[in-house]
Amino acid sequence: EPEVTQTPSHQVTQMGQEVILRCVPISNHLYFYWYRQILGQKVEFLVSFYNNEISEKSEIFDDQFSVERPDGSNFTLKIRSTKLEDSAMYFCASTVDGNTEAFFGQGTRLTVV
Amino acid sequence: GNSVTQMEGPVTLSEEAFLTINCTYTATGYPSLFWYVQYPGEGLQLLLKATKADDKGSNKGFEATYRKETTSFHLEKGSVQVSDSAVYFCALSGTGANSKLTFGKGITLSVRP
Repeated sequence: EPEVTQTPSHQVTQMGQEVILRCVPISNHLYFYWYRQILGQKVEFLVSFYNNEISEKSEIFDDQFSVERPDGSNFTLKIRSTKLEDSAMYFCASTVDGNTEAFFGQGTRLTVV
Repeated sequence: GNSVTQMEGPVTLSEEAFLTINCTYTATGYPSLFWYVQYPGEGLQLLLKATKADDKGSNKGFEATYRKETTSFHLEKGSVQVSDSAVYFCALSGTGANSKLTFGKGITLSVRP
């Protein structure tokens, strides 16, 4: 069964450093998303991406965040200068056409120290 | 904006007990409704969905009915198993450019043998 894959599974970084979280969405999917889940809290939407541009973003997704689809398969989330409060589980998701269910990756646990 | 409210947890049940997890929503238009499950140490998996009023989603013995009149999508299972222990998230989405998921806080279910 096709799946969304995320790497790395766990990333530890020092405050102020840049991190790039990587995702490979399902190959025929057209809409891509990033969500985050701070420990013990609900899953929050960060950004959606379609046709090589951001289609929607939340208030959390400020200038420190960016997304990119550098090639035909990868979808990345970059945090330019990490803060302690960026520590969370980050989930990538994709859907075929924005009208069907989202498939989630296993997540990347980001720990900022 | 859209929002999802889940009953407070955690919930602890004995094996074979009946389960109900309440979920209500606020949304414009006609959202799709979902239940996602997160097993310990894993990512989010779609449990079931309903895309229009009066639809019933079902999977693995779980059911939920899209009730537009009460804006609810309560999750039920007639006889829970220890393996059902997980965190359950109710969520809704629009379509196309508004296809992001809005999640409830999630509720932890623990099933005792």
